[in-house]
Amino acid sequence: SQQGEEDPQALSIQEGENATMNCSYKTSINNLQWYRQNSGRGLVHLILIRSNEREKHSGRLRVTLDTSKKSSSLLITASRAADTASYFCATAVTYNQGGKLIFGQGTELSVKP
Amino acid sequence: DVKVTQSSRYLVKRTGEKVFLECVQDMDHENMFWYRQDPGLGLRLIYFSYDVKMKEKGDIPEGYSVSREKKERFSLILESASTNQTSMYLCASSLPWTGNGYTFGSGTRLTVV
Repeated sequence: SQQGEEDPQALSIQEGENATMNCSYKTSINNLQWYRQNSGRGLVHLILIRSNEREKHSGRLRVTLDTSKKSSSLLITASRAADTASYFCATAVTYNQGGKLIFGQGTELSVKP
Repeated sequence: DVKVTQSSRYLVKRTGEKVFLECVQDMDHENMFWYRQDPGLGLRLIYFSYDVKMKEKGDIPEGYSVSREKKERFSLILESASTNQTSMYLCASSLPWTGNGYTFGSGTRLTVV
């Protein structure tokens, strides 16, 4: 069962522009995470936001979480061609041992030089 | 550099063959996971394991089995490969709690002919 749905499915921007990806989910969560996947490779963990946090920053990444709307957004500022990848949100219903992540279907980002 | 290693990047097998996909992690992680990734369907959890010799079914376990005889190694077994099991297979590991994120391997692209 897919918990997260991402929007848009694909996004194409010019280098230097900002990229915003959205994730919606269905059930209450403990935390939400964003991952990046370069073409044909494994996923890389980018950033985690806990359910009691509203915003978090890491370098050029900014993540927001609205638990009342069950949604999150990932903003990449001043994008570069090297940011071209697929981005996935993943939700964790619990923090405890045994908890697992449920991944969305991803947003494919293309940054043109 | 800590990592998750999947034994093959590309694999071609015949229908009906028994297929073993191997995953090894060097981070002493308790949890290990097998996902398959298909276009439009995102990542779907096949099996996961919280400890040696323990396993739990994920969302799509049919046609698969797993083995975890040692903490660092988690094997995915396709008992009798079929063409609908052609996919990208991703292994991941994590500490017991979801707040630490997953570390993924580079993936195995399996083609069943």
